[in-house]
Amino acid sequence: NAGVTQTPKFQVLKTGQSMTLQCAQDMNHNSMYWYRQDPGMGLRLIYYSASEGTTDKGEVPNGYNVSRLNKREFSLRLESAAPSQTSVYFCASSEFRVNTEAFFGQGTRLTVV
Amino acid sequence: GQQLNQSPQSMFIQEGEDVSMNCTSSSIFNTWLWYKQDPGEGPVLLIALYKAGELTSNGRLTAQFGITRKDSFLNISASIPSDVGIYFCAGQHNAGNMLTFGGGTRLMVKP
Repeated sequence: NAGVTQTPKFQVLKTGQSMTLQCAQDMNHNSMYWYRQDPGMGLRLIYYSASEGTTDKGEVPNGYNVSRLNKREFSLRLESAAPSQTSVYFCASSEFRVNTEAFFGQGTRLTVV
Repeated sequence: GQQLNQSPQSMFIQEGEDVSMNCTSSSIFNTWLWYKQDPGEGPVLLIALYKAGELTSNGRLTAQFGITRKDSFLNISASIPSDVGIYFCAGQHNAGNMLTFGGGTRLMVKP
């Protein structure tokens, strides 16, 4: 049982480049989330998808877009990367919309130079 | 912005010692969660608390949901080297609301 799988694990981008972070879960969860983790800041919610076909902004959505491709997959896109987006990105999923007891992927470490 | 204050920010202890950490908030939460993050990994849920005053254990870990609903505590007894990592608290105001995470407590254990 893989749980939540994120790709890639590491990425270096130049300022202005675009990329998509992929996330897939095999637990048949309804809700999926994208967080970013910065030193001393804990995890901050970027976007979430309460159920297939819906997406909503979280705490720090600027500079990002998301797509809930199907129940399993939730992608995060950076259209024009900026150094301020250097961070570790985590995808998570949970069974219920309440976001309780979320299961996390292993993270994507992104550096924008 | 971040609403949870987690302390201490880091701890360096001797193997076998007990550990205490806590989270405080200026607002009420109805759910408290504690996660552990190992280096290079995503956070893993340790304990979930759903009722004020609730005390829940998971092996050597014990967490409490504060009576005021504005704080929570995590204790680790008889620490071992594999306890090393970052511990996060997370709170939820109401069902359907998103989780708010604390800044984390980095635990280091000296064998």
